[in-house]
Amino acid sequence: KAGVTQTPRYLIKTRGQQVTLSCSPISGHRSVSWYQQTPGQGLQFLFEYFSETQRNKGNFPGRFSGRQFSNSRSEMNVSTLELGDSALYLCASSLRDRGWSEAFFGQGTRLTVV
Amino acid sequence: KNEVEQSPQNLTAQEGEFITINCSYSVGISALHWLQQHPGGGIVSLFMLSSGKKKHGRLIATINIQEKHSSLHITASHPRDSAVYICAVDGGSQGNLIFGKGTKLSVKP
Repeated sequence: KAGVTQTPRYLIKTRGQQVTLSCSPISGHRSVSWYQQTPGQGLQFLFEYFSETQRNKGNFPGRFSGRQFSNSRSEMNVSTLELGDSALYLCASSLRDRGWSEAFFGQGTRLTVV
Repeated sequence: KNEVEQSPQNLTAQEGEFITINCSYSVGISALHWLQQHPGGGIVSLFMLSSGKKKHGRLIATINIQEKHSSLHITASHPRDSAVYICAVDGGSQGNLIFGKGTKLSVKP
């Protein structure tokens, strides 16, 4: 069974640009969550999508957005990039129909903003 | 105060030692996760538990719901166990995972 796939693995962008990251969940998983990891703040929850609907959102500015497609693949977009957006962005997929279920993480996309 | 506190932040052990990493949380949870992150970033889920104890190979995870505390134990530690171990709690109806800052473990041969 294929794992969670994130593309690209590495990305360098310039301040002010926008970026789109992709996450393909494990087959059959309808929940995709996105996280930002920085040395200072650790792992922080961005948002969760379930069956194409954003179900939960963390405390991030509106420059961070996402969507989920009918095949459960998800994208997250960051507009007007700032230096502080440099981070490892991880996505996780799970069954998560109701309550808790095990989360499976991708390898992450390392974004560097210069 | 962070909702999920881990201790210690850093841990150095000799190969073969018994290791304990602790996690305390202050919110109501439906489950607690122990995660392992190797250099390079990829995260592996080690355990998900809501009560009692789970064992997988040399790894043991326990949780005490009343005391809001969980421990991850590694028996007969090995240099390949060197990684960052992260505790995360799942609030269930509140949505998604709240993470501890992680414990960086280094096991010396």
